[in-house]
Amino acid sequence: AQKVTQAQTEISVVEKEDVTLDCVYETRDTTYYLFWYKQPPSGELVFLIRRNSFDEQNEISGRYSWNFQKSTSSFNFTITASQVVDSAVYFCALGSTQGAQKLVFGQGTRLTINP
Amino acid sequence: DTAVSQTPKYLVTQMGNDKSIKCEQNLGHDTMYWYKQDSKKFLKIMFSYNNKELIINETVPNRFSPKSPDKAHLNLHINSLELGDSAVYFCASSQEMTSGGSDTQYFGPGTRLTVL
Repeated sequence: AQKVTQAQTEISVVEKEDVTLDCVYETRDTTYYLFWYKQPPSGELVFLIRRNSFDEQNEISGRYSWNFQKSTSSFNFTITASQVVDSAVYFCALGSTQGAQKLVFGQGTRLTINP
Repeated sequence: DTAVSQTPKYLVTQMGNDKSIKCEQNLGHDTMYWYKQDSKKFLKIMFSYNNKELIINETVPNRFSPKSPDKAHLNLHINSLELGDSAVYFCASSQEMTSGGSDTQYFGPGTRLTVL
């Protein structure tokens, strides 16, 4: 069975600090996809990144970076120089390449950036 | 233009009523989904349709019935609403990957259902 664990339920930091959100996954698939979504206070789900399990290169997009480590089944997300607008619930999700497409989500991490 | 839209955004109703939530996507995607987000923010797949055909039905009570009139629309009808149905319901869509895999799912704004 597929499973995603985001052990950090809530994180609170002061603006401009760097913060890392952890994501650990379990799957028996040899090929799979990993995702991060942001859910701001307004409630919508915003896609941030999709990563194929074959591609272990880290990715950077502005202040956001992702560290994919297959050896530890982790796909961590770092925000550099955090801003108040980064306050949201962040979800890590796992997608299979077998059978029907569906996403298995982690429990989410509520990130609060204080001014 | 909104890529994935849902109506209504808020739905407040009494126990026992029947209600529908509508979803439309203009992304040209082949696959659409319904997810439920409970009060603890946990997101879980309910249904998936590919080109109007039901692909996933994740042990959802049969009071919930999805209907896909065409591949751009996926509606959710709920009969005999119960208190426990209160949640946020998200519609999503993605392109089918014929080679296998999970394409990015784009979500609608959500419908907050409150059953009194």
